[in-house]
Amino acid sequence: EVQLVESGGGLVQPGESLRLSCLASGFTFRTYTMTWVRQAPGRGLEWVSTISGSGSPTYYADSAKGRFTVSRDNSKSTLYLQLNSLRVEDSAVYYCARPYYDSLTGYSNLDYWGQGTLVTVSS
Amino acid sequence: DIAMTQSPTTLSVSPGERATLSCRASQDISTKIGWYQQKPGQAPRLLIYAASTRATGIPARFSGSGSGTEFTLTISSLQSEDFAVYYCQQYHNWPLYTFGQGTKLEIK
Repeated sequence: EVQLVESGGGLVQPGESLRLSCLASGFTFRTYTMTWVRQAPGRGLEWVSTISGSGSPTYYADSAKGRFTVSRDNSKSTLYLQLNSLRVEDSAVYYCARPYYDSLTGYSNLDYWGQGTLVTVSS
Repeated sequence: DIAMTQSPTTLSVSPGERATLSCRASQDISTKIGWYQQKPGQAPRLLIYAASTRATGIPARFSGSGSGTEFTLTISSLQSEDFAVYYCQQYHNWPLYTFGQGTKLEIK
């Protein structure tokens, strides 16, 4: 059974940093691209970042470029998201997710999600 | 960037009736779209991918259609557990995903 378990969220002040983790199990982690999606309270879903199975290349939403860094440790089946220079508007539940993969058509939508970890940025 | 626009924002339907949700892409995305259901306090659940293929374990009352820029999610006979928020998501620009703003499906 595929499982994704996020951790590392919490309450921080503007300008501070956090590192989120996502522990994966039930599939061959190193072979899958992985994605972070966030959802601000009462708002919709926003794609944040994606990382390939090998760790490179990486991709970021404009809102994350220059402040967030995605990485992974395939030996630990763990995905990370380093959040720096946090702003009030970064407050959200952060989900890690795995895309569906088909050998003929490639990657598509996100078929497995973690339960999310809440980041609150407030002074 | 590809923008996804969902309509309506809120849809009120009685149990047992049909619900039709729409999503429009700002450019041609072929059939590279999926639909998610999200209930309060839960992660999104993938319902449909590739515009019309049901994900594993999704009941047949959920169906998707469309191509190009206009897409529809239809729930043929609403059950109590179907009242939730629904999102569309394009992957034409994979991995630069874009979500619609969501449609809240509520009990009439």
